[in-house]
This record gives sequence, C-alpha cells and structure tokens, in this order.
Amino acid sequence: GNSVTQMEGPVTLSEEAFLTINCTYTATGYPSLFWYVQYPGEGLQLLLKATKADDKGSNKGFEATYRKETTSFHLEKGSVQVSDSAVYFCALSDPDSSASKIIFGSGTRLSIRP
Amino acid sequence: DVKVTQSSRYLVKRTGEKVFLECVQDMDHENMFWYRQDPGLGLRLIYFSYDVKMKEKGDIPEGYSVSREKKERFSLILESASTNQTSMYLCASSLTSRVGQPQHFGDGTRLSIL
Repeated sequence: GNSVTQMEGPVTLSEEAFLTINCTYTATGYPSLFWYVQYPGEGLQLLLKATKADDKGSNKGFEATYRKETTSFHLEKGSVQVSDSAVYFCALSDPDSSASKIIFGSGTRLSIRP
Repeated sequence: DVKVTQSSRYLVKRTGEKVFLECVQDMDHENMFWYRQDPGLGLRLIYFSYDVKMKEKGDIPEGYSVSREKKERFSLILESASTNQTSMYLCASSLTSRVGQPQHFGDGTRLSIL
C-alpha cells in the first residue's frame, strides 16, 4: 500500500545548524509530496509541496526535492532558528483515493537550542 | 488565505455524553476531513466528505459519526463519549477531489473525556 516513512525524533540542533529530516515513500502511480509543519498548540500548516519528479519545493528557507529514483523527499534548511522548533510531517497524496486524501508520516519533532 | 475554524480549542466532557465538534471553512472547498492526533500515532483519518450530505469512513470511524448539511460546515459527533476518545481533533479541507490538492487545517480541538 501507499505509505510514508520519516526519521524519528526528537531532533535537537543548535541555532544556525544545518537541518535534514529524511522522508521516503511508497506509492503506486505519481503522487504529490508535501511537508507540513505544526507549531505548538496549532494545527498543521502546509510548508511546501512538489508535484512531479525533480520538482523542488521551497518556503521560509526550507527545501525538498522530489526524487523518484530514491523515492525520497528529504527536508533541508541551511541555518535553523529557534522559531523553527515544531513538528514536521512528510505526506503524500493518496493516488488510489477519492477526495484528495493525504497519507501522513508519523512526524518528527524538532527542537532548536539558542 | 483559507480559513478553517474549529469551534472550540479545549473541551471537557463526561463519559457517555454526546459530543459535537464543529468545523467551518470559508473558501467553498468541496472536501472536508476529520482526524485525530495522538502521541506516537500521528494523524489518523476518522471520516471525510466530498460533497454536501456525502461522507466516507476513514481509517478509524468506530464510535464516531459525521454530518455535512451545508458545504462549509462539517461536524464530528461522538455518539457516547468514552475515555479512549480523549485526543486532539483536527479538521481540514481541500478545494477539489483532484489528486495532489493540499489540505488546510484548523487549529484543533483538544478534547478530554472524564
């Protein structure tokens, strides 16, 4: 079946460090891929998306590239800030479903030390 | 910007009560979703709706029902609340049923069943 696997947290980094959160997927067809972010006490917000192979999504200094050959969509940021502390979810559009269903990974908690 | 509004941020109810969680979106989206979020389990889909009066079961529908009488409003109903339904509940919407549409989330309702 279709699924998303992302690295387990928590991940703790110092401010200005380089961030990578790994995400791999299994899917039939050609799903769209997403990264969502959840700040404390809030719902999920769409951070970035990519709709086809080799697309790069970017937003707020975060980037992820849709790699079909490795079925990956790793999230990266060159220099993290304390305000980036949140839970990050990798997700894919379920190509076998109706109603634009999305399959979410289990989330990775990121904490940034000042 | 899409606005998804959940009626309560925090709710405390008693075992056996009938509980209503309300969600409203203001962007004429076709699809609406209810998830629950629990530590270590990520997001799990309870029910979704792709049109007024239309609904489909998600992954964990037991103990829940939904109502969509108007396009902008999607209600989650706990018929007889139990303590294992204590959780964070997230509502989301998406524009169309086309695969690859992102979902937009509300801020969540933290429900405690005593």
